[in-house]
Amino acid sequence: QSALTQPPSASGSPGQSVTISCTGTSRDVGGDKYVSWYQQHPGKAPKLIIYEVTERPSGVPDRFSGSKFGNTASLTVSGLQPEDEADYYCCSYGGNNNLVFGGGTKLTVL
Amino acid sequence: EMQLLESGGGLVQPGGSLRLSCEGSGFTFSNYAVNWVRQAPGKGLEWVSGVTGNGASTFYAESGKGRFIISRNNPKNTVYLQMSSLRVEDTAVYYCAKELSPRTRGTFDIWGQGTMVTVSA
Repeated sequence: QSALTQPPSASGSPGQSVTISCTGTSRDVGGDKYVSWYQQHPGKAPKLIIYEVTERPSGVPDRFSGSKFGNTASLTVSGLQPEDEADYYCCSYGGNNNLVFGGGTKLTVL
Repeated sequence: EMQLLESGGGLVQPGGSLRLSCEGSGFTFSNYAVNWVRQAPGKGLEWVSGVTGNGASTFYAESGKGRFIISRNNPKNTVYLQMSSLRVEDTAVYYCAKELSPRTRGTFDIWGQGTMVTVSA
């Protein structure tokens, strides 16, 4: 199973919004509700920030939101804050009990 | 507080074997699937393997099929990853991660701190 496609980098100034895309196929992103997003700061374990495309775990700020159209899922971070600078990964169930991650996007807060 | 704690990483020669352990606490361990996810140095996340809460079903990425075996001992609140025929490209931090609920897939709400596996001569 090939990795999902994410842009390697994204950036925005504090207070701005940025959207990160995650493109797969009809066998994974396009065909399943189990799309999740993870935030990872350097040297730390990943943290779940979005699951089932649009759901936010308790404790995750509502500045983080998820969506999907066709085979592409998106993560939007609104009102960027310095602590949002991190790597972001999407993940999708790909059928046949396989999971696939995106290559990751490094978000820089300018 | 729900926690996962990995152990067992280290330096191993190509072709060697290693067993990783992942001990859970703060939740009913047997109710949840646990997965292993790895991250090579400077690279992204890669799903490795998963096991259902009761241990009846196991799943593997192509990269580990035939070489890795996942299992669990629920009375000990522990999941294991037995890795054999290790290759240089298996070098990574290995994380264990808990599924959010019995019905979710790839929704990991609790992660361990990771254990480093280095395969080198």
